[in-house]
Amino acid sequence: DADVTQTPRNRITKTGKRIMLECSQTKGHDRMYWYRQDPGLGLRLIYYSFDVKDINKGEISDGYSVSRQAQAKFSLSLESAIPNQTALYFCATSDRGQGIDEQFFGPGTRLTVL
Amino acid sequence: AQSVAQPEDQVNVAEGNPLTVKCTYSVSGNPYLFWYVQYPNRGLQFLLKYITGDNLVKGSYGFEAELNKSQTSFHLKKPSALVSDSALYFCAVRDAYSSASKIIFGSGTRLSIRP
Repeated sequence: DADVTQTPRNRITKTGKRIMLECSQTKGHDRMYWYRQDPGLGLRLIYYSFDVKDINKGEISDGYSVSRQAQAKFSLSLESAIPNQTALYFCATSDRGQGIDEQFFGPGTRLTVL
Repeated sequence: AQSVAQPEDQVNVAEGNPLTVKCTYSVSGNPYLFWYVQYPNRGLQFLLKYITGDNLVKGSYGFEAELNKSQTSFHLKKPSALVSDSALYFCAVRDAYSSASKIIFGSGTRLSIRP
């Protein structure tokens, strides 16, 4: 969905490096999410934010941090990357005003940690 | 606790034949159920959802899903498969009374449609 963009699309880094993945949306949604996708495991929630002042841990937050710089921007950081953080990362948004969460996903960032 | 299961890693169907992608769920209260599709190198796209009302839900691209509360299933179906339907399909569920953050995704089923 072009309304949700992620940068970079691909990144290769080394163990111990700090990495930031960025997400921007033009949908005007208040809620934003970060997921990681691993083969055979589906999507797992890392962090979510229901508005600019609201940040919450998801299922697998260890080793990650986030920043909600504005309603439209939600960044995910890996403080010290490790190989088992190699995965596909998705940002998603949803609108509380629509009632029930239909989520809109970005195209994903493929991260490889060597 | 809520959970969702997609028992098949892969489903293979000939073009023109009906297709079914299976999903079963477990929630403590009323379920909200979703299907998403992921095409190669793309994010997930919403297909359909069940919130309340008719157990048969129609969605995008000719897909539909039927809630069976006694079997706690929400299988995705299409009467006539297209090669372009080949993709990865995810079922998702949350309890109606839980936080909107508590959507649980299944592990995904890869649908392959042969010409």
